[in-house]
Amino acid sequence: GAVVSQHPSRVICKSGTSVKIECRSLDFQATTMFWYRQFPKQSLMLMATSNEGSKATYEQGVEKDKFLINHASLTLSTLTVTSAHPEDSSFYICSAEPRDFISPLHFGNGTRLTVT
Amino acid sequence: KNEVEQSPQNLTAQEGEFITINCSYSVGISALHWLQQHPGGGIVSLFMLSSGKKKHGRLIATINIQEKHSSLHITASQLSDSASYICVVSKGTGKLIFGQGTTLQVKP
Repeated sequence: GAVVSQHPSRVICKSGTSVKIECRSLDFQATTMFWYRQFPKQSLMLMATSNEGSKATYEQGVEKDKFLINHASLTLSTLTVTSAHPEDSSFYICSAEPRDFISPLHFGNGTRLTVT
Repeated sequence: KNEVEQSPQNLTAQEGEFITINCSYSVGISALHWLQQHPGGGIVSLFMLSSGKKKHGRLIATINIQEKHSSLHITASQLSDSASYICVVSKGTGKLIFGQGTTLQVKP
C-alpha cells in the first residue's frame, strides 16, 4: 500500500539551531501534503498545507518564517524549524493526500523534536 | 461549535465489549476518514468513507450522509485496541477538518 516516509523520527537540537524534517510519498504523487503539530494528549493541529510548486498555506497563528515549508516535487515536502526554541519541542507529523482528494490519507510516523 | 464533533472524548471498556465512537459534522464533505493513533505517535488510516458501511476485521465504520454522522464500531474489543481514534472530514479541496479524538482504553 501507499507509504509516507518521514525522517527523522527523533531529533534533539540546541536552542537557536534549525532542524529540517522530510516527508516523502514513496509510491504515489502527492499534490498536497499537510504538516501537523501535536501536543501531549491533544489531537493533531494543522500547521500548514503544502502544495507542489507553490507557496504553503499557513494556518492562523503559525509563523511562516519560523516554520519554513518547501514542496519542491510531487513526492517530497520539507518542514524546517528555524532558530528552534524549547517551546518548539513537539511531535510533528506529515500526511499526504493523493491527487484525487478522495483516496485514503497517508501519514508519516512523525518526528519527535526536543529543543534543549 | 466545532465543524467536526466526536463523542465520547474518553472511553474505558472491558476486554470483549462492543464499542461505538461517534462523529458528527456540519460541513459538506467528499469523504470521511477514521484514523487510529497509538501512544508513541504513529497514525494509521482505518477507513475512508463516502457512503454506506465498511468492515475490516473487528472494525466497522458507517456513515449517514443525510444526517452528517458517522460511527466507528469495534467488536470484541482487545487490549491492543487501546488508542486514540480520530474522525477527519475531507472537503474535497485539500482541506481536512479533524475531530478532537476519542481516547479508548481497553482493560482486562
